[in-house]
Amino acid sequence: GAVVSQHPSRVICKSGTSVKIECRSLDFQATTMFWYRQFPKQSLMLMATSNEGSKATYEQGVEKDKFLINHASLTLSTLTVTSAHPEDSSFYICSARDLGLAGGTDTQYFGPGTRLTVL
Amino acid sequence: AQTVTQSQPEMSVQEAETVTLSCTYDTSESDYYLFWYKQPPSRQMILVIRQEAYKQQNATENRFSVNFQKAAKSFSLKISDSQLGDAAMYFCAYRSPVLSDSWGKLQFGAGTQVVVTP
Repeated sequence: GAVVSQHPSRVICKSGTSVKIECRSLDFQATTMFWYRQFPKQSLMLMATSNEGSKATYEQGVEKDKFLINHASLTLSTLTVTSAHPEDSSFYICSARDLGLAGGTDTQYFGPGTRLTVL
Repeated sequence: AQTVTQSQPEMSVQEAETVTLSCTYDTSESDYYLFWYKQPPSRQMILVIRQEAYKQQNATENRFSVNFQKAAKSFSLKISDSQLGDAAMYFCAYRSPVLSDSWGKLQFGAGTQVVVTP
């Protein structure tokens, strides 16, 4: 299957600082990427949909100014957690949609996730 | 909005045995997609199997197969000949047809933890 990378895998930061997480589709182009948040032993919660070349669409209750999303190319989307606070500590997962134009099927593939700890 | 329900928080199975995970969903759409994803302790989400609603034939991937009952809105996953490596959280997911949602967002269930005992 297609490969999606995510960097960094773990990050620890001080309260008030900003953290950037990168999501890359390695062997396909992704016009659409998604950002999720997952709490321990819970399901994935969709935060936003990222579309290449346009503004991200955020789910209800997600602060746009705190979670900045940029999808500048067909293989890269970034999530920046601005002015991070301890309550932002979580596991963040990205996914990229492979439309299957190269012969596969329209499927979402996931990155390995980023564990953010805000002290 | 569509909802996906996984009513089994945890299922235990012995090695080499079979386990079935249940998933039901609520939708008024007729053409949609269903998926099972596996999340092992590494937390990497892995696609296990997918099913298109317009296909009557149940999807199969090696030891994994589904029982898709469209009228009942049920999509169960059967794991045959269970292996220790199958231990993971399994999520059922629903995706609307393109005409309803061109972005292809997934709606996940709460997940079922599969425990495999030797």
